[in-house]
Amino acid sequence: DTGVSQDPRHKITKRGQNVTFRCDPISEHNRLYWYRQTLGQGPEFLTYFQNEAQLEKSRLLSDRFSAERPKGSFSTLEIQRTEQGDSAMYLCASSPDRTQGYTFGSGTRLTVV
Amino acid sequence: AQKITQTQPGMFVQEKEAVTLDCTYDTSDPSYGLFWYKQPSSGEMIFLIYQGSYDQQNATEGRYSLNFQKARKSANLVISASQLGDSAMYFCAMREGRGSQGNLIFGKGTKLSVKP
Repeated sequence: DTGVSQDPRHKITKRGQNVTFRCDPISEHNRLYWYRQTLGQGPEFLTYFQNEAQLEKSRLLSDRFSAERPKGSFSTLEIQRTEQGDSAMYLCASSPDRTQGYTFGSGTRLTVV
Repeated sequence: AQKITQTQPGMFVQEKEAVTLDCTYDTSDPSYGLFWYKQPSSGEMIFLIYQGSYDQQNATEGRYSLNFQKARKSANLVISASQLGDSAMYFCAMREGRGSQGNLIFGKGTKLSVKP
């Protein structure tokens, strides 16, 4: 297992379109986190999964955002009716448990035009 | 209130010299963890060093050390013998204990530029 993989690396979409990102965590990690990072800022927490259960969602996660982690393996983050303000880097991280470190993926950079 | 404050938007350092990147934090939780991450222009977040709130000694990892001053709520990163490859964004982050699912709270980052 080489780390956390995210796909795609880059996505350009027109405003109003739907987009979906995928994250493959390290296989033995049961915790998975999604973060969003806008230009000039640090990453901000979006949502957290423990196995297949989505246990926490940030207020940043509007109704247009939905995340899943079927079977507790990979996760998807979907944004419906994208807006220009959704342009950001979307980072996924995984961890074996609450006290251990986090491994981040390389992120998906979304540009909404 | 900001939970993680990084007051240096940008820093310059000469190659082979040491540099300190500042980080202060705010929490009332007695149990917490502090992290530093490096983010090169490629975008991935690279873990550098971790300090637990109950750790008695300052953390060190190779050229990285963390100057942890609990009473002052500061967790500065010291990079010794800077290299050109150290040029990147550096983020300080905190994981709180009780009531937290383990998500990290990040500062705004410091852009480090190493000059040859």
